[in-house]
This record gives sequence, C-alpha cells and structure tokens, in this order.
Amino acid sequence: DTGVSQNPRHKITKRGQNVTFRCDPISEHNRLYWYRQTLGQGPEFLTYFQNEAQLEKSRLLSDRFSAERPKGSFSTLEIQRTEQGDSAMYLCASSLGAGNTEAFFGQGTRLTVV
Amino acid sequence: GESVGLHLPTLSVQEGDNSIINCAYSNSASDYFIWYKQESGKGPQFIIDIRSNMDKRQGQRVTVLLNKTVKHLSLQIAATQPGDSAVYFCAESTEHSSYKLIFGSGTRLLVRP
Repeated sequence: DTGVSQNPRHKITKRGQNVTFRCDPISEHNRLYWYRQTLGQGPEFLTYFQNEAQLEKSRLLSDRFSAERPKGSFSTLEIQRTEQGDSAMYLCASSLGAGNTEAFFGQGTRLTVV
Repeated sequence: GESVGLHLPTLSVQEGDNSIINCAYSNSASDYFIWYKQESGKGPQFIIDIRSNMDKRQGQRVTVLLNKTVKHLSLQIAATQPGDSAVYFCAESTEHSSYKLIFGSGTRLLVRP
C-alpha cells in the first residue's frame, strides 16, 4: 500500500498521559498536514509541514501539542497531559507540493481519552 | 464501525438515480476546491477537484460544478450505487494558505437498493 499510513489506528489513554501518533506520507510528497475531526464535523486544520519545516500552526494547536517532521519524511504528533476534549480522530494528509495540490488522507488515528 | 457525521444533513436516493450534493463555501478568495468521500471509520477519500478558473469538471461518474458568484459548489454522482453511501465533504483552499483545507459540514448520502 503506497498511500498515507497512520499508526496506531486506535489509542485509548487515561487523562493526563502523553500520546504520540505517527504519519508516513506518500513517498516524495513534500507537504504534510495534520487535521483533527470530531463526530459530526469536517476535519479541522492543525498544522502543516513543507519538507521538514513546520510553516503554520492553527490556534487549535495548544502548547500541549507538538508536531515534528525531522527528516522531511514521516511526521509525529504528540499530545502531552491529554484531556477528555482531545478525544477525536487525528488525520494526516500529504500532497506533492508546487503546482500539484491534491491532498490524500490516511485512515486516521482515533484517540479516546478516559 | 464508528459512524461519521451522526447529525449531518442526509440525502436519500434510489440506486441508479443521480445524486446532487450541494455546498456553500465561505471565502471568496478560495481558488481550489475538493470533494471528499468519507466512509465510517476511514479517512477522507479524494473524489474530484476544481480550480477557480473553471466552472465544471467531470470525472468518472462524478461532475463538480462551481459557481463563484454565489460561492456554491455541487457534486453530481451519476447512476448512484450502494457503494456511494458515505459522508461527503467539500473543502476550499487558497494558494496563499499553502492549500490547507477548510472543510464544509458534510452531507450523508444514503443509497436505497
């Protein structure tokens, strides 16, 4: 499968614990995006990478959230001191960049904070 | 599986009929638009896109229409099949925002056999 890959698919954690999600974009895709989706809503933008540089962060991304893309390939999203309101589907998308704008999504990581 | 869009507007169509899903977008500066299909427990799946210099684009069984005057986007699905049942989202973006996507609220499509 050469699509966007996200791990784990599901994560249940206790409030206050830290969690980390991984996204492997489509090979050679320069742009990588993280989104969050709650039930009944469309995905909401969190942050964006062009290669290894994090170029934009949404106000939704509190200081408990951090994202990295150290070598311009895979990315990680960490949430520290999780809260019940963090429960959501976390989606990763990638696109080739430049004039090619089609963004392809992974299957997401479903986070449940209990 | 988990349900996406528990309280979304729903369009119910008979198998074989054509479906039209509508979307209003908010930013008159948006220059790129995409339709996504999302099945329960899965990530959004790219269907078709259109740039603001076009008003119509066709794919396989799908057509997207763009009316910039009233900021309206529609997705037409020909000969709707049971496998088309899902939640459909439109998304808008701009080159100046690095094409980050702003999603609409979604429409659930139910296909009756």
